Amino acid sequence: SQTIHQWPATLVQPVGSPLSLECTVEGTSNPNLYWYRQAAGRGLQLLFYSVGIGQISSEVPQNLSASRPQDRQFILSSKKLLLSDSGFYLCAWSVNMNTEAFFGQGTRLTVV
Amino acid sequence: AQSVTQLDSQVPVFEEAPVELRCNYSSSVSVYLFWYVQYPNQGLQLLLKYLSGSTLVESINGFEAEFNKSQTSFHLRKPSVHISDTAEYFCAVSEMRENTPLVFGKGTRLSVIA
Repeated sequence: SQTIHQWPATLVQPVGSPLSLECTVEGTSNPNLYWYRQAAGRGLQLLFYSVGIGQISSEVPQNLSASRPQDRQFILSSKKLLLSDSGFYLCAWSVNMNTEAFFGQGTRLTVV
Repeated sequence: AQSVTQLDSQVPVFEEAPVELRCNYSSSVSVYLFWYVQYPNQGLQLLLKYLSGSTLVESINGFEAEFNKSQTSFHLRKPSVHISDTAEYFCAVSEMRENTPLVFGKGTRLSVIA
């Protein structure tokens, strides 16, 4: 069966520091991969998605970036965090772009 | 492009009472529809989905949702809620014709009161 791993679960970082969140999927090949951010009362915001290695689509311009160095690995990064980057970050995968996505357990990022 | 509206941000309900969480969507083409549940500090879990066929879909824990094309709705219902149903519920839509990601509503927080 397929599983998705996301870490760390919680993270407290100072403003201006770099960020790296990692997500890996097991049990499937060539998944579509996604990064979402969830802010209180604002639902899920799609940040990036990827249909294959090295292929990244950005939905929202900001100081975050994503990379897919391997088929089942998706990384969310920032060179310098802002206070507004605080939130709950969720990684997800799907077989097809427009069918159900399966989510990791999330990372709660607090920028101080 | 598709969009989703969840009309209620919070829904309090007494234990063993029925509940309906409303979801309306907008799209110019045929759609797939989904409901997800999120417990505190966890990821989203797929509750049920409509892809085709019967417009009434059910989950294993007693929830059901009905796809109503004329009203562009996909409301989630449960005839008798439990304390353990307390969570946030998200409706999502995608378009059949396009290879684009799911679009989520802003969520409805269901609070079940003993």
